[in-house]
Amino acid sequence: DGGITQSPKYLFRKEGQNVTLSCEQNLNHDAMYWYRQDPGQGLRLIYYSQIVNDFQKGDIAEGYSVSREKKESFPLTVTSAQKNPTAFYLCASNTGFNYGYTFGSGTRLTVV
Amino acid sequence: DQQVKQNSPSLSVQEGRISILNCDYTNSMFDYFLWYKKYPAEGPTFLISISSIKDKNEDGRFTVFLNKSAKHLSLHIVPSQPGDSAVYFCAASHEGNTPLVFGKGTRLSVIA
Repeated sequence: DGGITQSPKYLFRKEGQNVTLSCEQNLNHDAMYWYRQDPGQGLRLIYYSQIVNDFQKGDIAEGYSVSREKKESFPLTVTSAQKNPTAFYLCASNTGFNYGYTFGSGTRLTVV
Repeated sequence: DQQVKQNSPSLSVQEGRISILNCDYTNSMFDYFLWYKKYPAEGPTFLISISSIKDKNEDGRFTVFLNKSAKHLSLHIVPSQPGDSAVYFCAASHEGNTPLVFGKGTRLSVIA
């Protein structure tokens, strides 16, 4: 079955450490996205990529980095520069901007 | 500056009655609108969409209405069922140019 896989589902990180969240899709979608969900804040865009080896910052990119070396993969690194990293992270993909997204099941990151 | 606004954080409705979820937008360039449904600790799932060339789109128990002059859309669920209890996100896009912009969500509780 085609879909988006995010791993791990739960992740704990010590303050000052970098951590990488995985996102893999087998839908042959060109575009991929990372959103962050906080209580009462909805979904806020971190980074997106329309094509391999290219990506753009979203509204809250500070403290995050991404790469898009393969069409299927769009990992997100939460760096120690991110002031408040505890959140629910969602990866999504689609065939282009004017189409709806398919979302992964999310990764809950907690800083301890 | 919030471009997509869902001003009701929560809504409670009795089973069998109509649920009406509202969404307002400020960017007149938006021309494609979507509703997503989200359960806790899961990714959002696509529910229904509407293009700006239409004012209504129906899919089973779900109908979305678009009022372009008022920059307002609404999602009607009839009849409401307990399984509809979830957070509903309104999203909008400007065709071909930008990622989806999401509202903060409305938590719907359908009471049996």
